[in-house]
Amino acid sequence: EAQVTQNPRYLITVTGKKLTVTCSQNMNHEYMSWYRQDPGLGLRQIYYSMNVEVTDKGDVPEGYKVSRKEKRNFPLILESPSPNQTSLYFCASSRVAKNIQYFGAGTRLSVL
Amino acid sequence: TQLLEQSPQFLSIQEGENLTVYCNSSSVFSSLQWYRQEPGEGPVLLVTVVTGGEVKKLKRLTFQFGDARKDSSLHITAAQPGDTGLYLCAPRNNAGNMLTFGGGTRLMVKP
Repeated sequence: EAQVTQNPRYLITVTGKKLTVTCSQNMNHEYMSWYRQDPGLGLRQIYYSMNVEVTDKGDVPEGYKVSRKEKRNFPLILESPSPNQTSLYFCASSRVAKNIQYFGAGTRLSVL
Repeated sequence: TQLLEQSPQFLSIQEGENLTVYCNSSSVFSSLQWYRQEPGEGPVLLVTVVTGGEVKKLKRLTFQFGDARKDSSLHITAAQPGDTGLYLCAPRNNAGNMLTFGGGTRLMVKP
């Protein structure tokens, strides 16, 4: 079954404590991206990756890092989380040419 | 920066009613996608429209891409409670592979 898997689904942490949200896809997609979803602001793109070792900033990259060492994995790293990063995060993947995005089920992060 | 607006933001209707939601922009797009997101889940792609004036039907859902490729509409006929969710539009321009999403229309269909 085609899947985009995010972990964890829920996370409560404190300001400044580094965390990583993992994302894995089993569709051999070249393109992967991270979004955050906030009430009234819709989905905003944080970072995206066109392929292994190729990453680019999206609309709201500040405070986040990503890496793409393997095609299937695209972790999102918060080196020093702050309360304004409390949000619902989605990972997505697609075949670049087909322009279809498959989304994970989301990670709800609370930074206290 | 492109301006992307979805309307209405919220819509609550009774089962069996018809409705239309809109996605409008000041920019021209090469294509546009519509997604539905249910609570606790990620968005799921419903349709992609590519050609100006294109109309696509998905059961009771009718999607239209504006002639000038700046706007799109989604019409639902005889809405059902299962249609409840957040409807997002995501236009795409020719520059790169980024997808921008509208703020969404939150639809509730009451039985």
